[in-house]
Amino acid sequence: KAGVTQTPRYLIKTRGQQVTLSCSPISGHRSVSWYQQTPGQGLQFLFEYFSETQRNKGNFPGRFSGRQFSNSRSEMNVSTLELGDSALYLCASRQNTGELFFGEGSRLTVL
Amino acid sequence: EDQVTQSPEALRLQEGESSSLNCSYTVSGLRGLFWYRQDPGKGPEFLFTLYSAGEEKEKERLKATLTKKESFLHITAPKPEDSATYLCAVQTTGGSYIPTFGRGTSLIVHP
Repeated sequence: KAGVTQTPRYLIKTRGQQVTLSCSPISGHRSVSWYQQTPGQGLQFLFEYFSETQRNKGNFPGRFSGRQFSNSRSEMNVSTLELGDSALYLCASRQNTGELFFGEGSRLTVL
Repeated sequence: EDQVTQSPEALRLQEGESSSLNCSYTVSGLRGLFWYRQDPGKGPEFLFTLYSAGEEKEKERLKATLTKKESFLHITAPKPEDSATYLCAVQTTGGSYIPTFGRGTSLIVHP
């Protein structure tokens, strides 16, 4: 059974640009969550999608957005990048029992 | 507000030196407590779920236990390959299914 796949694994952007990250969940999992991980803040919840609908949202500005497609694949977008957006962005699909299965992450560096 | 605190922040052990990591939590009602292992530059990997006080789960050299206020991850005779950051997360009853993560314990096992 394939795990959670995230692309790209690494990317470098400059301030003011935008970025789109992609996530394919485990087959059969309909819930996809996105997290931001930094050394200073740890794992911070961004949002969760279920059956193409945003079900929960964390405390991030509107520059952070996402969507989910009918095949459960999800994308997140960050517009007008800031230096502080440099982080590891993790996608996770969730089982009905609550366990999260994470991808390897997308490492974003903003210069 | 739900809170999850992990201690110590960092732990160095010699190979074979057993120890325990702590995760204390303050929540309105516990649905489940999860332990994850995270290797550098990778996404967290699910280890255990605990649901009620007194419950224990084991996997190789790891054993997780749960009380009404905290969970312990006991590491017996660790090996260098056990070096990683161990994350604890709690999921509460009522409201969303979004777990709250602790900041993690960074474990280094020296040969």
